[in-house]
Amino acid sequence: SAVISQKPSRDICQRGTSLTIQCQVDSQVTMMFWYRQQPGQSLTLIATANQGSEATYESGFVIDKFPISRPNLTFSTLTVSNMSPEDSSIYLCSVRTGGLSNYGYTFGSGTRLTVV
Amino acid sequence: SQKIEQNSEALNIQEGKTATLTCNYTNYSPAYLQWYRQDPGRGPVFLLLIRENEKEKRKERLKVTFDTTLKQSLFHITASQPADSATYLCALDGAGGFKTIFGAGTRLFVKA
Repeated sequence: SAVISQKPSRDICQRGTSLTIQCQVDSQVTMMFWYRQQPGQSLTLIATANQGSEATYESGFVIDKFPISRPNLTFSTLTVSNMSPEDSSIYLCSVRTGGLSNYGYTFGSGTRLTVV
Repeated sequence: SQKIEQNSEALNIQEGKTATLTCNYTNYSPAYLQWYRQDPGRGPVFLLLIRENEKEKRKERLKVTFDTTLKQSLFHITASQPADSATYLCALDGAGGFKTIFGAGTRLFVKA
């Protein structure tokens, strides 16, 4: 399975600023997924990032707030823009590995963001 | 809307016993169901996938059942160990995949 290096692991940021989270995968993958997980809550998909095209955002998430870059098949960034305390959460990137009907998702270790 | 329910209360069991976690879902007909383990401060780790046409799947001390009539999956850890203490998430996917929805997870504590 793939190995994902995600950074930073945590950060404390001032409201109104932006933070960029990076994920590096040790193999080439077509799609990368960005999730948000608030304490005690399930993972919520923010967007799906394909190399060479714009990311596809889920309902409730917009590109201006969460711009995503996907410059190649092993790397992606998620920026949390103009942050407010409501953006405090854990952010995770993920890739799908395995075959068509026998697969799983590999996750980065997460970025714990606190906005003050 | 699609909904996954996992027991929000933590499960406390004694070492050596079998832990059984439940995942119920509504308004969904998943083709695949997955279980993940998540430790504090870490991302989820994939454990098992079971397909809709499979009733049961095993991997070492893990056993998963998938009842599409009851809309329920059971996740069993036999001969549980303190190292099994973690949060366990179930996740569902439709036939096309790539639209996985996750439950909030159940916290398991195994006491020595």
